[in-house]
Amino acid sequence: GENVEQHPSTLSVQEGDSAVIKCTYSDSASNYFPWYKQELGKRPQLIIDIRSNVGEKKDQRIAVTLNKTAKHFSLHITETQPEDSAVYFCAASKRRDDKIIFGKGTRLHILP
Amino acid sequence: SAVISQKPSRDICQRGTSLTIQCQVDSQVTMMFWYRQQPGQSLTLIATANQGSEATYESGFVIDKFPISRPNLTFSTLTVSNMSPEDSSIYLCSVGINEQFFGPGTRLTVL
Repeated sequence: GENVEQHPSTLSVQEGDSAVIKCTYSDSASNYFPWYKQELGKRPQLIIDIRSNVGEKKDQRIAVTLNKTAKHFSLHITETQPEDSAVYFCAASKRRDDKIIFGKGTRLHILP
Repeated sequence: SAVISQKPSRDICQRGTSLTIQCQVDSQVTMMFWYRQQPGQSLTLIATANQGSEATYESGFVIDKFPISRPNLTFSTLTVSNMSPEDSSIYLCSVGINEQFFGPGTRLTVL
């Protein structure tokens, strides 16, 4: 089955700097790669996703890149703000409506 | 989008007992999913629940421990059976439409 590896497990960046979280997946049949943000005590919220026919997608300060050949995908957050502090999960799935396999998560701390 | 509700929102149970968690979605969906999130951990998929067929369980999860019902296209239940303290976790249901939507979760504590 699918296995998603995520690094780093913890990341601290100065406010205003960029943060990068990297993931790899194992199943070449995976075609959909969502990223979730989870704040303490809340359910995961989708922040951005990418399909395998796209190499990069951007939404304001957030971007995701995908290298399907290498089975790598990454989340980039620019101009970080205190409200970006949370746990971020990468995930992989065959389709948007199919089961999702999560990475272990990255706890992001934005330092003032 | 989808609006998902879960009951109960939290419970404290004695070891050896069972708890049934309900998940209700405001639209008809083919697949519903059940996840477990242990304290400080990621989400782990327990099973996929399809209406009209038996649930499909992921490695490490069995029907005797986590029986699932899916009586219609908007509702599912997950039972945590013969509970032990290791079952203390948040249990979330989700549905996939244009994206995965998660319920608010059920926080279970087993004493």
